[in-house]
Amino acid sequence: RKEVEQDPGPFNVPEGATVAFNCTYSNSASQSFFWYRQDCRKEPKLLMSVYSSGNEDGRFTAQLNRASQYISLLIRDSKLSDSATYLCVVNSRTGFQKLVFGTGTRLLVSP
Amino acid sequence: GAVVSQHPSRVICKSGTSVKIECRSLDFQATTMFWYRQFPKQSLMLMATSNEGSKATYEQGVEKDKFLINHASLTLSTLTVTSAHPEDSSFYICSATEEGGTEAFFGQGTRLTVV
Repeated sequence: RKEVEQDPGPFNVPEGATVAFNCTYSNSASQSFFWYRQDCRKEPKLLMSVYSSGNEDGRFTAQLNRASQYISLLIRDSKLSDSATYLCVVNSRTGFQKLVFGTGTRLLVSP
Repeated sequence: GAVVSQHPSRVICKSGTSVKIECRSLDFQATTMFWYRQFPKQSLMLMATSNEGSKATYEQGVEKDKFLINHASLTLSTLTVTSAHPEDSSFYICSATEEGGTEAFFGQGTRLTVV
């Protein structure tokens, strides 16, 4: 079983739609959680950290469920520019940046 | 945010040759840098953790004699792919974290093609 699992997609949605991605992780000792965005042939860039209480940044909302060991990302009012691969990332060691990446979920937003 | 610069962005080399990839933290000191590899349609896989002034820590299954890592200063780590073969063709990317920070900053990546 992979340490971080995501549905690879692609998710094809029209502009303005709301789309949600889920991610599960296997290491219950994981401490930190992130969503990164990766455009084709580019480096990943941090989209947002995920906190236990849930957090929102504009059109993006992230949730963490430690009991079920899953993380979610909700994107509202999708834009064409949101088309990318969204990577669920888990820091599996306390105080040490060993980031474990999911395979990513590809989002395609169409006009 | 902090900037990590990686060079070259793209390299094509002949089978059997060696290729060096540089990763620099431009505006902060990175005591630890990380090297990842990403094959098409797959996730980033951590290859090794590079610690300034000491030997790198390699992940299971990564050959340390093939992927030489040197972290000679607080702002520079290098990855050398020795005796490259076509199966080494991949996207190699480094990241670094500021001391005490939680965000990982990535270099732009290096697309290696071995012919």
